[in-house]
Amino acid sequence: DGGITQSPKYLFRKEGQNVTLSCEQNLNHDAMYWYRQDPGQGLRLIYYSQIVNDFQKGDIAEGYSVSREKKESFPLTVTSAQKNPTAFYLCASSSSGTARGNQPQHFGDGTRLSIL
Amino acid sequence: SQQGEEDPQALSIQEGENATMNCSYKTSINNLQWYRQNSGRGLVHLILIRSNEREKHSGRLRVTLDTSKKSSSLLITASRAADTASYFCATAAISGAGSYQLTFGKGTKLSVIP
Repeated sequence: DGGITQSPKYLFRKEGQNVTLSCEQNLNHDAMYWYRQDPGQGLRLIYYSQIVNDFQKGDIAEGYSVSREKKESFPLTVTSAQKNPTAFYLCASSSSGTARGNQPQHFGDGTRLSIL
Repeated sequence: SQQGEEDPQALSIQEGENATMNCSYKTSINNLQWYRQNSGRGLVHLILIRSNEREKHSGRLRVTLDTSKKSSSLLITASRAADTASYFCATAAISGAGSYQLTFGKGTKLSVIP
């Protein structure tokens, strides 16, 4: 079945450490997105990518980095510069990206990141 | 950036009753989408309504859009315990970078009591 796989499901970060969250999709979607969700809050956009080897900052990109070397993969690195990384991270994809805006996004089941 | 705001924040109803959730937003949109999130899971797309549409149905779901009031409502009829989840509206609009982005509200937490 097609879908989006995020791993790991739970992740712990030590002070000063960078951690990388994995996101893989087999939906053949061009566009991929990373969101952050805090308790009782909506989703906030961290980064998005409309095509391989291209990505754009979202509303809260500081302290995060991404790469898009393959269509299927869009890993997110939470760097030590992100001082409050504890949150639920969601990856999504869509077929026509943001160019037309009229396509739904498909989500993975998230990675919950906590500080040790 | 603009943000949809859902109302109420939490809603508790008996199984079989209808549930209505509202969403308000601030600026012009291309479309508005509703998503559902079960606890600890990702979001699932429910329905998309374009800015030139006023009403849309999908099974037990009915969505309305009033662009003059910048508001939308999601009605779930004959609710079931399995409908217990958080429901989010998301507005699609052109961002400052010239591409469409989705902006999510904070959600309505629906509890359906068997």
